Amino acid sequence: GIQVEQSPPDLILQEGANSTLRCNFSDSVNNLQWFHQNPWGQLINLFYIPSGTKQNGRLSATTVATERYSLLYISSSQTTDSGVYFCAVRPWGNNRLAFGKGNQVVVIP
Amino acid sequence: GAGVSQSPSNKVTEKGKDVELRCDPISGHTALYWYRQSLGQGLEFLIYFQGNSAPDKSGLPSDRFSAERTGGSVSTLTIQRTQQEDSAVYLCASSLIAGDEQFFGPGTRLTVL
Repeated sequence: GIQVEQSPPDLILQEGANSTLRCNFSDSVNNLQWFHQNPWGQLINLFYIPSGTKQNGRLSATTVATERYSLLYISSSQTTDSGVYFCAVRPWGNNRLAFGKGNQVVVIP
Repeated sequence: GAGVSQSPSNKVTEKGKDVELRCDPISGHTALYWYRQSLGQGLEFLIYFQGNSAPDKSGLPSDRFSAERTGGSVSTLTIQRTQQEDSAVYLCASSLIAGDEQFFGPGTRLTVL
């Protein structure tokens, strides 16, 4: 099946810093989603971004489907940004999501 | 409700018992998915329902696992003769149509003693 790799696996940030999370995938995909898993385990939808660039407040995402990667940018990080960020892709001909292992982000004050 | 709801939020059971987990999707969503999240395996797909079509069961790990969706809405995931390796968080998601953006419920944390 499709492989989804996220990097870096762990990231510690000073509050106010910027960061970039990367998601590489091994095959063509129809859709891509970024999630933030909060401390209670809830997966919060951040972006639904099969291609192009989207922005939502301090977060933005870019997917380059032809090169099989997506980037999630966090600017001016806050302690509430801490948690695990998951990239999930939907391969062509399939309706399930395949998840990466996540990026564990800790923002320290 | 506004989002996907799941019950119970926590379930502790003894090895060998059967359990039922419930998912109530977002109103109007035709597609429903079950995933599970465990420390060793990450987030993995279990089963998918779309309308009245036959479900995609290809992610179910064994024949002890089954799921149904009644009336195109609520779904129940049943695990028979639970084993300790079944301990995980079971997540349900729904989407407006197949392949569309998926929205997740809060999950059911299952612990098998």
